[in-house]
Amino acid sequence: DADVTQTPRNRITKTGKRIMLECSQTKGHDRMYWYRQDPGLGLRLIYYSFDVKDINKGEISDGYSVSRQAQAKFSLSLESAIPNQTALYFCATSDRARHYGYTFGSGTRLTVV
Amino acid sequence: AQKITQTQPGMFVQEKEAVTLDCTYDTSDQSYGLFWYKQPSSGEMIFLIYQGSYDEQNATEGRYSLNFQKARKSANLVISASQLGDSAMYFCAMTLNTGFQKLVFGTGTRLLVSP
Repeated sequence: DADVTQTPRNRITKTGKRIMLECSQTKGHDRMYWYRQDPGLGLRLIYYSFDVKDINKGEISDGYSVSRQAQAKFSLSLESAIPNQTALYFCATSDRARHYGYTFGSGTRLTVV
Repeated sequence: AQKITQTQPGMFVQEKEAVTLDCTYDTSDQSYGLFWYKQPSSGEMIFLIYQGSYDEQNATEGRYSLNFQKARKSANLVISASQLGDSAMYFCAMTLNTGFQKLVFGTGTRLLVSP
């Protein structure tokens, strides 16, 4: 099993629909992150969480919300999807042992039509 | 705050040759970490190499080495003896060792290795 698992891997949804992307990890890391990747823009931080009770907005949080259900689970929701939220979404975890470098999930490719 | 700049949108190299991917960074912090990740066409992000700001030696991991020039604020990735499987996007990233410690990414360089 992967250390960081994202579901679904691919999703097509309609404008205005609510959608949840899920992430679970077996690394035991406290820190979890959601990023989106767009061509030519690299990866940009949406939300991050240091533990279950500590959730923070990143640089592009508008239109998104998150839930940290447990240390191992961190979900990202698009409340009302719009086409410019079409992107590749990554969940990641980190801890001090790797100099806070990340372990990434495989990504969720989301298309909003 | 920190910023990463990758000025090469695309690079081409022939198999078995070496290639350097450029990365410059900007921060006023003295303690930070620099990373390179590889993203093949399948989409996953693969960690390649790490360099700490206080590390005196350049980091090496197999065919990957990081040419760290602190005064110039550059952290170039050198891939020796390129292979066809090295064709991918490459991202430079950094984290500060104080405060939040989030990873900030550059926009990436697409490397194509030809036979």
